[in-house]
Amino acid sequence: AQSVAQPEDQVNVAEGNPLTVKCTYSVSGNPYLFWYVQYPNRGLQFLLKYITGDNLVKGSYGFEAEFNKSQTSFHLKKPSALVSDSALYFCAVRDSGYSTLTFGKGTMLLVSP
Amino acid sequence: DAGVIQSPRHEVTEMGQEVTLRCKPISGHDYLFWYRQTMMRGLELLIYFNNNVPIDDSGMPEDRFSAKMPNASFSTLKIQPSEPRDSAVYFCASGTQEVRNTDTQYFGPGTRLTVL
Repeated sequence: AQSVAQPEDQVNVAEGNPLTVKCTYSVSGNPYLFWYVQYPNRGLQFLLKYITGDNLVKGSYGFEAEFNKSQTSFHLKKPSALVSDSALYFCAVRDSGYSTLTFGKGTMLLVSP
Repeated sequence: DAGVIQSPRHEVTEMGQEVTLRCKPISGHDYLFWYRQTMMRGLELLIYFNNNVPIDDSGMPEDRFSAKMPNASFSTLKIQPSEPRDSAVYFCASGTQEVRNTDTQYFGPGTRLTVL
């Protein structure tokens, strides 16, 4: 089975400060990991993914994520948050033996001016 | 490309009525997914197609739900009869043949369904 957990329902950060949105996963094979972002009344948009290779993955809008196999984590990070980053963020995982993605419940990121 | 297109964007209906949601995937994509999003259950995969063939419908909650993909450019999700607990946002997503390795799914804007 494959599963993903986002332990925080909401993350609050001031504009200009670094942000981290946490994600941990569980798979039996090799994990393929993804982050998506959802703005109000919109569909999910792909941010970045880890398939193989460098553990630090860079994505859209200045976001990056670090794959940590020993901690089974794939936390989303950004060095300097913008108010416009406020949105719902989803982590997703696919075990190499499965065909579909499993999404986390999402973390609401609120960036204050 | 216009991206994944879904219609209608909003649907309000009464309990017992039939509801049909529509999706046009991105041209060239051969995987299509239907998801449901609610506050309580988050994002759930209902069914997905590969080359117009349903591959896994284990997420379809009840026999009241059915999905079809008559061709590569169109899919429907039907609820008959609808119930208030079906109220949710329904998303369609599509992906390329490489989705098994890359899984970059492209989502439509969703249909917000309200069943009174």
